[in-house]
Amino acid sequence: GAVVSQHPSWVICKSGTSVKIECRSLDFQATTMFWYRQFPKQSLMLMATSNEGSKATYEQGVEKDKFLINHASLTLSTLTVTSAHPEDSSFYICSAKGTGPSVAVTDEQFFGPGTRLTVL
Amino acid sequence: AQKITQTQPGMFVQEKEAVTLDCTYDTSDPSYGLFWYKQPSSGEMIFLIYQGSYDQQNATEGRYSLNFQKARKSANLVISASQLGDSAMYFCACLNTNAGKSTFGDGTTLTVKP
Repeated sequence: GAVVSQHPSWVICKSGTSVKIECRSLDFQATTMFWYRQFPKQSLMLMATSNEGSKATYEQGVEKDKFLINHASLTLSTLTVTSAHPEDSSFYICSAKGTGPSVAVTDEQFFGPGTRLTVL
Repeated sequence: AQKITQTQPGMFVQEKEAVTLDCTYDTSDPSYGLFWYKQPSSGEMIFLIYQGSYDQQNATEGRYSLNFQKARKSANLVISASQLGDSAMYFCACLNTNAGKSTFGDGTTLTVKP
C-alpha cells in the first residue's frame, strides 16, 4: 500500500513555543490530507481536512489560529501548533488519500505513524 | 452526521480462536465505505479491510473478514485464528463519500491470551 511519513515522531517543547509537524506522501499524490488528534485510549478526532492548494476546512471547535495547516504540494502538508500549552499535548496523526499506482482502494486513507507532542 | 458505534470497549480471546468485533453505523449517505483499522501500542494505524456499500459480497483479507449486514447497518470484523500479535485497539470507520471524510468509532481493545 501507499506510504505516508510523519516527522517528527515525538517532540517535547516548552509552553508558548510553536511546533511544526510534517506529513508526506511518499509514493502517491495526496489530493486530500487529514489531521487527527487522539488522546490515550480514545478515538481519532478529526481536526481539519486540507486539499492541495486550498485552505484547510476545520472541524467545529478547532481553533484555526491555533492549529495552522498548510497543504502546499501534492506530497506535503504541515500542521503548526502555535503557542503550544500543556493541554495541546496529544498524539497527532495525519492521513492522506489520493491517486497513484500504490493506491488500490479509492478513498482509502493512508495514515502516518503519528507524532507524540508533549508540552511542558 | 455520521455515527459509528463500537459497543465493546474491551475483548479477550484465546490464542488460535476466532473473535468478532462489533460495529454499527448510522449514515444518510447512499454511498459509503466501511473500514477497519488496527492500532497497536506504537500508535500507527494499520488498514485491515474495506467494504463498499454496494459490494454484494463480504470482504475478506487473509484472517480478516467483514460481516456486512446492510439492512442492520452493521459491519462486524471477524478475526480467525487469533495470534498474540493481534492484541491492539481496533477502529471501525465509515467514509462519507460526498464529504470525503471518515468518522471513527471509539475503538475496541482486543487482548489475545496465550
